[in-house]
Amino acid sequence: GAGVSQSPSNKVTEKGKDVELRCDPISGHTALYWYRQSLGQGLEFLIYFQGNSAPDKSGLPSDRFSAERTGGSVSTLTIQRTQQEDSAVYLCASSLVAGPSYNEQFFGPGTRLTVL
Amino acid sequence: GQSLEQPSEVTAVEGAIVQINCTYQTSGFYGLSWYQQHDGGAPTFLSYNGLDGLEETGRFSSFLSRSDSYGYLLLQELQMKDSASYFCAVRDNYGQNFVFGPGTRLSVLP
Repeated sequence: GAGVSQSPSNKVTEKGKDVELRCDPISGHTALYWYRQSLGQGLEFLIYFQGNSAPDKSGLPSDRFSAERTGGSVSTLTIQRTQQEDSAVYLCASSLVAGPSYNEQFFGPGTRLTVL
Repeated sequence: GQSLEQPSEVTAVEGAIVQINCTYQTSGFYGLSWYQQHDGGAPTFLSYNGLDGLEETGRFSSFLSRSDSYGYLLLQELQMKDSASYFCAVRDNYGQNFVFGPGTRLSVLP
């Protein structure tokens, strides 16, 4: 594809419901990242995938958050029992080469999550 | 802990030069990156410094001093379209985590 895509672009849900956010990285990108950005704030790192594995899940805010990646491509971020403080824009990014020497991440447009 | 500090806001006029500083404290260090984000848009990569010194890309330059845990982004010949938020970011934890700064909002005035 031309770039990183995310769906849905907007999601409004009720407190306590589960939501799934999807990310399609650029074809061939082995590294995939999830971030959360609250209004007017910086990016909060959530999780990083190298291929299908996530070496470190400590960035996930609570055990209500989980993420998976299949086939080295599409990733899903799931938030269970959503809370109002989960409201934010969730950004996905991918990069061509994982590892400390390559730092250009390509970001998707984000999913704006609103929990009522 | 891990933290990056940036000025919250910077204002400059068209054609001017502006420098956005970033200081960091992280458990590891694998390079300093800069990203630009326009309101309502996604961050886009600007530059990366893995070693000390200056990297130049067109009107933008970025500098790193690892001994001072400090870097900056230099924007020259400012244009209105440069009005955006600018984030510095550090890879740490053996390159597995990214830590972003709080962002600097740049306003370019005519």
